[in-house]
Amino acid sequence: EDQVTQSPEALRLQEGESSSLNCSYTVSGLRGLFWYRQDPGKGPEFLFTLYSAGEEKEKERLKATLTKKESFLHITAPKPEDSATYLCAVRDLGNQAGTALIFGKGTTLSVSS
Amino acid sequence: DAGVIQSPRHEVTEMGQEVTLRCKPISGHNSLFWYRQTMMRGLELLIYFNNNVPIDDSGMPEDRFSAKMPNASFSTLKIQPSEPRDSAVYFCASTASGSYEQYFGPGTRLTVT
Repeated sequence: EDQVTQSPEALRLQEGESSSLNCSYTVSGLRGLFWYRQDPGKGPEFLFTLYSAGEEKEKERLKATLTKKESFLHITAPKPEDSATYLCAVRDLGNQAGTALIFGKGTTLSVSS
Repeated sequence: DAGVIQSPRHEVTEMGQEVTLRCKPISGHNSLFWYRQTMMRGLELLIYFNNNVPIDDSGMPEDRFSAKMPNASFSTLKIQPSEPRDSAVYFCASTASGSYEQYFGPGTRLTVT
């Protein structure tokens, strides 16, 4: 069964303390890995799409990378405003609904000043 | 630019009552998705439409749930009769043709007592 697992479930950092979030997946045929940010009481906000192993995308203090088994979201020198839940999702052509995404349960990041 | 619009933002109802959630996708987007988010199960796809046609409803929990998309700018998710276990945040998302990046609305928080 297709599965997306994110770790850790929760992460507390001090401002400026860099770290990484992990998203591991098992799908029959990856056709895109997506990162989203979700603030409390809001809908997920799209961040990045990665399609092939070795690909990297950057936005401000965030950098997403992809291997054949997992993706990392690296956060460099985080600020309190980076506090949110980060969701990973995959698109798998093996499922009947080719456009649908399978989401992980997310990592909740808290950055304190 | 207007994003995905959902209404109501909050709904409190009693068990057995009918509930209708509404969504207006981003103009020009041709795919629409309904999700349910809970702490236990995370973000789950309920149903999705492509060009107003339901493509995959395998995530709809049971016959109490139904969804329609009468035109490109409007969709509804109906629960009849509602049950306490339906309490969750329901999100609508849309994508443009040829893209797999989903854009989410702010969600409807449903509480069934």
